[in-house]
Amino acid sequence: DIQMTQSPSSLSASVGDRVTITCRASQTVINYLNWYQQIPGKAPKLLISAVSSLQSGVPSRFSGSGSGTDFTLTVSSLQPEDFAMYYCQQTYKTPVTFGGGTKVEI
Amino acid sequence: QVQLVQSGAEVKKPGASVKVSCYASGYTFANYGITWVRQAPGQGLEWMGWISVYNGITNYGQKFQGRVTMTTDTSTSTAYMELRSLKSDDTAVYYCARKRGPENWFDPWGQGTLVTVSS
Repeated sequence: DIQMTQSPSSLSASVGDRVTITCRASQTVINYLNWYQQIPGKAPKLLISAVSSLQSGVPSRFSGSGSGTDFTLTVSSLQPEDFAMYYCQQTYKTPVTFGGGTKVEI
Repeated sequence: QVQLVQSGAEVKKPGASVKVSCYASGYTFANYGITWVRQAPGQGLEWMGWISVYNGITNYGQKFQGRVTMTTDTSTSTAYMELRSLKSDDTAVYYCARKRGPENWFDPWGQGTLVTVSS
């Protein structure tokens, strides 16, 4: 199975901060790398597909980059509604695997 | 709008089975796959498998092989996930999601169904 390692597992930030979350795959996933946001008590929501494609309706302060095994999710200016859990996901090989998550706290 | 609506919470005894439904609306059901993901309390996301609505072909995670069955009913645009021989560590929120794109991203997700396994 492809292991997805996210770092950090949690971070504290303030409104307006620039935040970067990293995701490392145990082997190449090409560009089969997606990012999700989960607010407590809610279902995950797709933010970015295929490394860097921002989903419709997702604010442009979110961006993704990387290739092969190393990927990043960046929030350019954190807003109050961005405090949540973030997960990376690889769909290059089954079983599909997720990173352990990054909790973004105030 | 595209929406997936799941059935309500369930409480089951160890050894029992549960069948969760996922009703799709707002798109052509047969054109996309459906995937199932679960989340134990306070834990991360765990992929269970997916099904092609078009031809019924399934791909299950090895952990669930032999214990899970995913099906669809195109006449009602509903997907189902049945998990058998339940154990206490199957207690989780179970999500369905639509599988999209060449990179197989999951969007949107259902609201989740809490399955509690307790004697």
